[in-house]
Amino acid sequence: QSALTQPASVSGSPGQSITISCTGTSSDVGNYNLVSWYQQHPGKAPKVMIYEVGKRPSGVSNRFSGSKSGNTASLTISGLQAEDEADYYCCSYAGSSTGVFGGGTKVSVL
Amino acid sequence: EVQLVESGGGLVQPGRSVKLSCAVSGFTFDDYAMHWVRQAPGKGLEWVSGISWNSGNIGYADSVKGRFTISRDNAKNSLYLQMNSLRPEDTALYYCAKDVNQVIDAFDIWGQGTTVTVSS
Repeated sequence: QSALTQPASVSGSPGQSITISCTGTSSDVGNYNLVSWYQQHPGKAPKVMIYEVGKRPSGVSNRFSGSKSGNTASLTISGLQAEDEADYYCCSYAGSSTGVFGGGTKVSVL
Repeated sequence: EVQLVESGGGLVQPGRSVKLSCAVSGFTFDDYAMHWVRQAPGKGLEWVSGISWNSGNIGYADSVKGRFTISRDNAKNSLYLQMNSLRPEDTALYYCAKDVNQVIDAFDIWGQGTTVTVSS
């Protein structure tokens, strides 16, 4: 159960697109289509943005999209807005009824 | 309104025990898996434990295996986490989270958390 690997920080200007990567192994990300992404603003509980690799819960902006290739999943935020500035975490099923999070990525809007 | 309300946190000495509870309302509790996720001060999220809708599938993070026990009472719409042999590194905000599925998948509803501080 090693944590998934995410970049510590990603930044972009308003209106731009950014992509956050989440690298795991063939025992978690690479083996299951059960990757989810969470947005967390300071002092708030996390909010699911993407689940099952690319599905978007109702109410989540279509500016958020997810994908996966091999052992790496990605979250893309298009049309970056000031309100997108937050911490983002990926999570994957890791077998045997366990889950594992990534270390988190701080998104800054310049 | 869907609500998850955690309770039971506080200051506890190393080696002692504490039991967290999560009271659920606003959805059919026994249709979904449930989880505990923690966040140490200034740190990232860590999945701690999860339990399927019927308690048939249970998992733990390696960091808590053998010390923590998750359980649920579907009749009482409640989730629990029994935490034994507590260590300073268990200090964190503990969130209760609802799954989108009957077994582990993703966490779509979160409580506000209860803080556990392990210190002498």
